[in-house]
Amino acid sequence: EAAVTQSPRNKVTVTGGNVTLSCRQTNSHNYMYWYRQDTGHGLRLIHYSYGAGNLQIGDVPDGYKATRTTQEDFFLLLELASPSQTSLYFCASSDAWMQDTQYFGPGTRLLVL
Amino acid sequence: GEQVEQRPPHLSVREGDSAIIICTYTDSATAYFSWYKQEAGAGLQLLMSVLSNVDRKEEQGLTVLLNKKDKRLSLNLTAAHPGDSAVYFCAVSEPSNTDKVVFGTGTRLQVSP
Repeated sequence: EAAVTQSPRNKVTVTGGNVTLSCRQTNSHNYMYWYRQDTGHGLRLIHYSYGAGNLQIGDVPDGYKATRTTQEDFFLLLELASPSQTSLYFCASSDAWMQDTQYFGPGTRLLVL
Repeated sequence: GEQVEQRPPHLSVREGDSAIIICTYTDSATAYFSWYKQEAGAGLQLLMSVLSNVDRKEEQGLTVLLNKKDKRLSLNLTAAHPGDSAVYFCAVSEPSNTDKVVFGTGTRLQVSP
């Protein structure tokens, strides 16, 4: 069974704060993704990666950086958090293309005050 | 790029009734379609995926219909039960860029006893 974990599960920060969201998958999947989920928008892709050291820009990348340090680990970085980044963030992984089954983590709820 | 509309945003049915969720998409070359279920506090769980050469697929009380002419994808939960209460998302691949999937905005389904 595919396993994707995220930490922290909940995070509160202030405007201008520095936040790192972590994602780990233990399935040796090539692809990993960061999404944000907001009411009325569904899931929107922030960044994704197809391997260690690789980073691809998603649909809503502004204000976010990401880094894929290993096959297993993908981090989302908010260096100057803003209230508009208050959201529920999901990490996912898949073996091949995005059309392949995506396995999602449990989500991280971020509140930026 | 691909545009996906999902409706209804909210759906309430009684136990035993059927529930139908519909997504429409814009790119006729879309090749891969999926439905996800998101329960409270959890990530997204893949329910079913179909390729564009499939018109109908049934699994465990779920029916996915694909009407390529109308560019419409539907999920039918026959005989819904309270455990089906969740948010459902459709997802379609973006054929111009096979690395991306576009999600619908979600349907919150409430099944009452």
